[in-house]
Formats: sequence, C-alpha cells, structure tokens
Amino acid sequence: GQNIDQPTEMTATEGAIVQINCTYQTSGFNGLFWYQQHAGEAPTFLSYNVLDGLEEKGRFSSFLSRSKGYSYLLLKELQMKDSASYLCAVKDSNYQLIWGAGTKLIIKP
Amino acid sequence: ETGVTQTPRHLVMGMTNKKSLKCEQHLGHNAMYWYKQSAKKPLELMFVYNFKEQTENNSVPSRFSPECPNSSHLFLHLHTLQPEDSALYLCASSKVQPESHEQYFGPGTRLTVT
Repeated sequence: GQNIDQPTEMTATEGAIVQINCTYQTSGFNGLFWYQQHAGEAPTFLSYNVLDGLEEKGRFSSFLSRSKGYSYLLLKELQMKDSASYLCAVKDSNYQLIWGAGTKLIIKP
Repeated sequence: ETGVTQTPRHLVMGMTNKKSLKCEQHLGHNAMYWYKQSAKKPLELMFVYNFKEQTENNSVPSRFSPECPNSSHLFLHLHTLQPEDSALYLCASSKVQPESHEQYFGPGTRLTVT
C-alpha cells in the first residue's frame, strides 16, 4: 500500500528553527509537496521537490532524498503565525497526490 | 484568497436531507477535485475531473454524487448521509496532469450530519 508518515504534533519556540520530517512509500514518484494549513482555512502550497537536494524559499526550505523516501521541511526564525498544520504529499505514478495526516506545529513565545 | 471559492462554508443536515456543495475556480484551470478531510486523518481524494470528465472515483459511496458542468464549476450532491460523513469537504483545482505542480484549494465546507 501507499503510505506517508509524518509526526502528529511538534512544539517549537518563537525565533527558533524546526524540522518536520516526512517519509513515504508510494507506487512511483512524480514529486513531493509541502502545504501549510491554518486552522479552519484552506491548505496553501509551500514547496515542491522532484530532484534530490534542498530547495530554499525565504525562511522555509524543503529537502528530498528519493533513495531514502524521505523529505523534511525546515522553518527558520519561527514566528507565531507559523503555527499551523504542515501537510506532506507525494504524487504517485498516476499523478495522484497521496497525503500524510499532517503535522500540527505549535509555536510558543 | 486562492481563486477557489466554496459555498456554503458551514452546513448542518439531517440524514434524510438532500443538499449540494458548490465550488468555483477563477484560475483558468482544467482539473478539479473533491477531498474529504477528517480530524487527524490524511486528505482523502474523492473525485477528479479533467476537462469536465470524471477520471477518478475513489470508491466513494453513491450517497455522494459529483457534477461538473464546466471547467470552472464543481458540485457535490449529498443525500441520505451518515454521521461518519461529517467532515471538512475541500475543493481544489489545478492545471491538467502531468504538467501541474500544485493544487489550489478552496476554504472548504464544514459538514455536520445529525
């Protein structure tokens, strides 16, 4: 079966750095996505990785290792507004997105 | 605003009611999706439409009936639902695969079945 694993909840301090991990087992791979979802709102696109390595976009970076079936999202200089759920999703061989259950990130002052 | 709107935002219905959820996208996309999001569970893909044609139906019960009259509008007709159908229903749109990267989501309809 297809599976995406990520931690259920993480807590970090304002101004710090946090890394959210995602491991996947899917039938085929056509890219990995990270989305942010604030409570009661729509998921919004953060990043896309299809080749191994690190993609940096401002305070957010996303890393991919296809051989390990592993990705992480790195958030730097955390702000209170970063409190949200972070969803990892993989596009399989049929170009369908397989989703993880999301990681709820709690930022404390 | 992501360019995808959904109405209503909240819906409470009894098990014998019939209601419809509406989604509209203003992004010029040709693929539209219905997802179900339950607490602490992964997003469940329900239906996919490419160029108004349904291409995916992921074993969804027949009490959920989608309709896509054109590439900008998507409906989900609901009838004789069960309490376990209570969830957030999200609509999304994208360019048609395989060129699409991201999907754009609407704010969702919070459905409660009593």
